[in-house]
Amino acid sequence: QVLLLQSGPEVKKPGASVKVSCKASGYTFTSDDINWVRQATGQGLEWMGWMNPKSGNTGYAQNFKGRVTMTRNTSITTAYMELTNLRSQDTAVYYCARGRPYGRGGRWFDPWGQGTLVTVFS
Amino acid sequence: QSVLTQPPSVSGAPGQRVTISCTGSSSNIGAGYDVHWYQHLPGTAPKVLIYGNINRPSGVPDRFSGSKSGTSASLAITGLQAEDEADYYCQSYDYRLDGSQVFGGGTKLTVL
Repeated sequence: QVLLLQSGPEVKKPGASVKVSCKASGYTFTSDDINWVRQATGQGLEWMGWMNPKSGNTGYAQNFKGRVTMTRNTSITTAYMELTNLRSQDTAVYYCARGRPYGRGGRWFDPWGQGTLVTVFS
Repeated sequence: QSVLTQPPSVSGAPGQRVTISCTGSSSNIGAGYDVHWYQHLPGTAPKVLIYGNINRPSGVPDRFSGSKSGTSASLAITGLQAEDEADYYCQSYDYRLDGSQVFGGGTKLTVL
């Protein structure tokens, strides 16, 4: 069974950083990208970026460039997403998802992690 | 503003058919990039319903179907059930946004 298990909820102050983990199991970790998507309260899904677990290569959405870093530890099949300089608007549920290649540049996301609530609160 | 445009809400009675549209542009759907659809229930992880415009993963009922034409795509749900009440999102690729994946703004389906 393919599973992505994320770390628990976090509460951070504005200006701080948060690092969310995503442990993969049930498939070859290095075979597909790990993507990160967030959902702020009352908002839709927002794609943040991708990380190739085999090479470590990354690509970030414009809205997050300079603040987000996606990494991995292949020995424990775990991906990480770190977001710095947090502000209240970053309060959201953060999801990791396996990116399945499809067509030219496309990815479909399956499965998804259970989500990690990050609350930015002063 | 989302790159892909969806209606904020749709509704239907049990047993009816509803469709959810997803309108893009020449840099994403119109450029031939594929569309994928997700169902998102509150407090749970999103679940893929349709990938590659028309394909259903195993386990997804055939009441769900997808189509794509020009710069738009659609998700159709037939035989509406109470358990279908959820948020639905389309997703594609946009070459003008540094190779970004993009989502629609989401559509809330209410089963009357």
